[in-house]
Amino acid sequence: QKEVEQDPGPLSVPEGAIVSLNCTYSNSAFQYFMWYRQYSRKGPELLMYTYSSGNKEDGRFTAQVDKSSKYISLFIRDSQPSDSATYLCAMSAPVDDKIIFGKGTRLHILP
Amino acid sequence: NAGVTQTPKFRILKIGQSMTLQCTQDMNHNYMYWYRQDPGMGLKLIYYSVGAGITDKGEVPNGYNVSRSTTEDFPLRLELAAPSQTSVYFCASSFGAGQGDWGNQPQHFGDGTRLSIL
Repeated sequence: QKEVEQDPGPLSVPEGAIVSLNCTYSNSAFQYFMWYRQYSRKGPELLMYTYSSGNKEDGRFTAQVDKSSKYISLFIRDSQPSDSATYLCAMSAPVDDKIIFGKGTRLHILP
Repeated sequence: NAGVTQTPKFRILKIGQSMTLQCTQDMNHNYMYWYRQDPGMGLKLIYYSVGAGITDKGEVPNGYNVSRSTTEDFPLRLELAAPSQTSVYFCASSFGAGQGDWGNQPQHFGDGTRLSIL
């Protein structure tokens, strides 16, 4: 079983829809959870950062962590064509030098 | 604020040639990382450094070398380029693990170097 699993997509949704992106993981030591957005021919940029379980909201974006199920989600409300990108989940254990990334989900928002 | 800067943006090499990918950051981050990203394969860690003079291997270090003589710079060297090293290379930096209110600090990325070996 891989440490982090993420459906590669592509996921196509109409503009204005709610988007749900997910990752599962196997390492119960992970405490820090991140979502990165990567536009074509650009580097990943940090979108959301959460510690342990719970929800975090930032504008149209909500990150959820369910440690009991080893499952994290990113919700995008009122999706826009500019949200079209690849979204990578990432996570790390306390005092770990490295971050483990999912392979990314390609998202297309259709105008 | 420049953040993480990578040069060159694009490069074509012949098999057996060598080159150095440059990475510099202006955020005073202790930790720096090199990744390669292949289509559908996600980010794979090549080497990382937790401070000047300290480097360590990641998941795929073979065929690469690094050095860290200053906090700001973390060059990646390819000694004998092979077609399998055709990829997009990303450099990243962070304040590192267990630092500040955020605990493990998230990484900040450059925009990558697209390298083709022919």
